[in-house]
Amino acid sequence: AQSVSQHNHHVILSEAASLELGCNYSYGGTVNLFWYVQYPGQHLQLLLKYFSGDPLVKGIKGFEAEFIKSKFSFNLRKPSVQWSDTAEYFCAVTPTGGGADGLTFGKGTHLIIQP
Amino acid sequence: DAGITQSPRHKVTETGTPVTLRCHQTENHRYMYWYRQDPGHGLRLIHYSYGVKDTDKGEVSDGYSVSRSKTEDFLLTLESATSSQTSVYFCAISDSGRDQETQYFGPGTRLLVL
Repeated sequence: AQSVSQHNHHVILSEAASLELGCNYSYGGTVNLFWYVQYPGQHLQLLLKYFSGDPLVKGIKGFEAEFIKSKFSFNLRKPSVQWSDTAEYFCAVTPTGGGADGLTFGKGTHLIIQP
Repeated sequence: DAGITQSPRHKVTETGTPVTLRCHQTENHRYMYWYRQDPGHGLRLIHYSYGVKDTDKGEVSDGYSVSRSKTEDFLLTLESATSSQTSVYFCAISDSGRDQETQYFGPGTRLLVL
């Protein structure tokens, strides 16, 4: 079975700082990778996803992530954060061609942006 | 946003009572999922469905059952609610084909079991 580890449970940054949230997964085969964001009181929204191809993927709201296969990592980045980026961020994985049998999530990173 | 609604959005119930949560989609997607979200655990899969009347267990299925009699509806039932089932429950959907692993989430149901 696959597993996902998010290194930081809480991150506090000032506006305009750069962001990098770590995500590592464990699985013996090929995977699809996702980052979701959950703003306070809201449901999960898809930020970006990686299925194949260019390992650097760009998502909404200026976020990007890089898949490094040798490190089993899929870190999320943003060059300059805004107060509105305050939210909880989840990394998730599913085996490629897994028949849509569900995502495995990390425990989440709570990001707070101070004005 | 994907056309997913969940009902009720909030519920308070007592230990030992049965509870049914409903997920309704207007996207005609094949796959539907129930997750629970708890602090420090992220989201964990309870059950999922890959078609009408086709369901399977997820990571934390004990104490839960599901039914899907129509494409658009996926019901989650707590046969006898316990305090450990206090949580936020999210429904998700995904389509067939290349993008089938991408899941879109509903607004959630906050359940409190006293």
